[in-house]
Amino acid sequence: QVQLVESGGGVVQPGRSLRLSCAASGFPFTSYTMYWVRQAPGKGLEWVSLISYDGSNKYYADSVKGRFTISRDNSQNTLYLQMNSLRPEDTAVYYCARVRYPVVVIHYFDYWGQGTLVTVSS
Amino acid sequence: EIVLTQSPGTLSLSPGERATLSCRASQSVSSSYLAWYQQKPGQAPRLLIYGAFSRATGIPDRFSGSGSGTDFTLTIRRLEPEDFAVYYCQQYGNSLTFGGGSKVEIK
Repeated sequence: QVQLVESGGGVVQPGRSLRLSCAASGFPFTSYTMYWVRQAPGKGLEWVSLISYDGSNKYYADSVKGRFTISRDNSQNTLYLQMNSLRPEDTAVYYCARVRYPVVVIHYFDYWGQGTLVTVSS
Repeated sequence: EIVLTQSPGTLSLSPGERATLSCRASQSVSSSYLAWYQQKPGQAPRLLIYGAFSRATGIPDRFSGSGSGTDFTLTIRRLEPEDFAVYYCQQYGNSLTFGGGSKVEIK
């Protein structure tokens, strides 16, 4: 069965860095566009970044552009999010999510990880 | 960017009642590319509806989606105790955006 397992969250000071990982299993990871979606405490969902199945296309929300970098290792079935220059407003649960169809870049999400909490605070 | 506005913000109902949630888009959502998710506290969102009205695998038929263009509705025919949660709409016809959510709480 499809599984997405995030890790790497924690408490970090403003201005510091953190790298999140999402280990995927149960489906052909190399065929699917993957997303990071975050949710600030008590707030709604916000897409953060996406990476195409082959890593050739990457997009970022304006709120994280220039600070966050998405990547993937298809040999290890793992998605990453490198977060630099973190701000208090980046505090959120970060989910990795899979789009429904192979190759398609933008669609609805059929599988989500359980999320990892990032807290940016001094 | 298409902005999705969900209403009401909170709906207070009793088990067995009907819930009607609205998702209004700032411009037409192409091909009815609209999805609905359910989220319970401490859990990831769960896909309920895609393509405006198609139920995802395993979703009970008391959940139904309707609408087109700029106005979409999620209806829960008879609320079960496990249906009290927050519901989000998402459009994927023009980039990707989420609505702000509607909470269905027990009255």
